[in-house]
Amino acid sequence: GAGVSQSPSNKVTEKGKDVELRCDPISGHTALYWYRQRLGQGLEFLIYFQGNSAPDKSGLPSDRFSAERTGESVSTLTIQRTQQEDSAVYLCASSWREDTQYFGPGTRLTVL
Amino acid sequence: AQSVSQHNHHVILSEAASLELGCNYSYGGTVNLFWYVQYPGQHLQLLLKYFSGDPLVKGIKGFEAEFIKSKFSFNLRKPSVQWSDTAEYFCAVGGTGGGNKLTFGTGTQLKVEL
Repeated sequence: GAGVSQSPSNKVTEKGKDVELRCDPISGHTALYWYRQRLGQGLEFLIYFQGNSAPDKSGLPSDRFSAERTGESVSTLTIQRTQQEDSAVYLCASSWREDTQYFGPGTRLTVL
Repeated sequence: AQSVSQHNHHVILSEAASLELGCNYSYGGTVNLFWYVQYPGQHLQLLLKYFSGDPLVKGIKGFEAEFIKSKFSFNLRKPSVQWSDTAEYFCAVGGTGGGNKLTFGTGTQLKVEL
């Protein structure tokens, strides 16, 4: 079946603009995660959705970051008033409950 | 907060050499352990995982890892590497509370030379 997809694959924006990143998880997967990977660093957890439970937002670095998920489908990660330090690859993963996470190809965000 | 250390950032090996990549984590409770691999131009994909049971775990492409609880380690091994194993390898820890959000190491870039 289809894997996790993300769009856009690349996004270049100017400092101060808002951006929206999209993730389509594997069909039937109840859990969805967002991570980011800054240059030379490991993946950093941002937010986790599990079914209809309240999301775990403990990894969001500031209130400029927010995410939504519609049921057990698409999720969007929004970054408001982007800063240069937000430049990173943003990765989405999905899983059946708390089993193995399957990752998407990522969105490379560059803030000029 | 838990952390994951990968001690080797860049490794260069010749084909047929043996590989061992170190991974240590800091969390003292029950954990789930993973190795992910990212081949050039491809997604992160699961190499192997440990949730419970036999501490010696076998994954795809001849890789294996051993969970040593007393050493908080989960080292990745392969007896004979191939040029196609050139990739970045990430160790990750999950299951430490609140879903299975993963804490990743910084990765090891492996280059296998012919």
